[in-house]
Amino acid sequence: GAVVSQHPSRVICKSGTSVKIECRSLDFQATTMFWYRQFPKQSLMLMATSNEGSKATYEQGVEKDKFLINHASLTLSTLTVTSAHPEDSSFYICSATRGDEKLFFGSGTQLSVL
Amino acid sequence: DAKTTQPTSMDCAEGRAANLPCNHSTISGNEYVYWYRQIHSQGPQYIIHGLKNNETNEMASLIITEDRKSSTLILPHATLRDTAVYYCIVRVARDDKIIFGKGTRLHILP
Repeated sequence: GAVVSQHPSRVICKSGTSVKIECRSLDFQATTMFWYRQFPKQSLMLMATSNEGSKATYEQGVEKDKFLINHASLTLSTLTVTSAHPEDSSFYICSATRGDEKLFFGSGTQLSVL
Repeated sequence: DAKTTQPTSMDCAEGRAANLPCNHSTISGNEYVYWYRQIHSQGPQYIIHGLKNNETNEMASLIITEDRKSSTLILPHATLRDTAVYYCIVRVARDDKIIFGKGTRLHILP
């Protein structure tokens, strides 16, 4: 079946640094990718929608200068958390559509900011 | 906002069928019903989806009422590995985004 690879699975960084998370569709071309974040014991919250070759669409309340999204190709989208702070610590998950009805998810990235 | 309502939690004995209900009374004619599950600290896993007809695959069955205002996910023989949070979602399909509700936390009891 279709696979979405997300890297890294876990990252620890110091406050003030930037962290990049990659999301790749391994065996299909993803016209649209989505980024979610999830706090402990809560549901997934949609952050932004990423379309190849165009600017991402951010959900209300999500800072676009804080969470930079680049969808440079049909198989790769990246999320960069800029100047990370402890409150940015969360589980980040990407997902991708392959043009049919299914939506596939990456395995997630646990970000811990010290 | 999520367009679905699910019970917060459910218990099911191992080996029995787990029936997870979902209400989606405002579903539109072109919206599909999707089910995903999330095991702790992992990304959501696709289970099944349908539009109007009942669907079955190797993981589960999906029963959609005739008026499409509710559905039930059936795991025919639950195992301990089915312990997870199950999300029922409605979505137009293709590039439409998924908005998650709170889901149902399913506990499989040995």
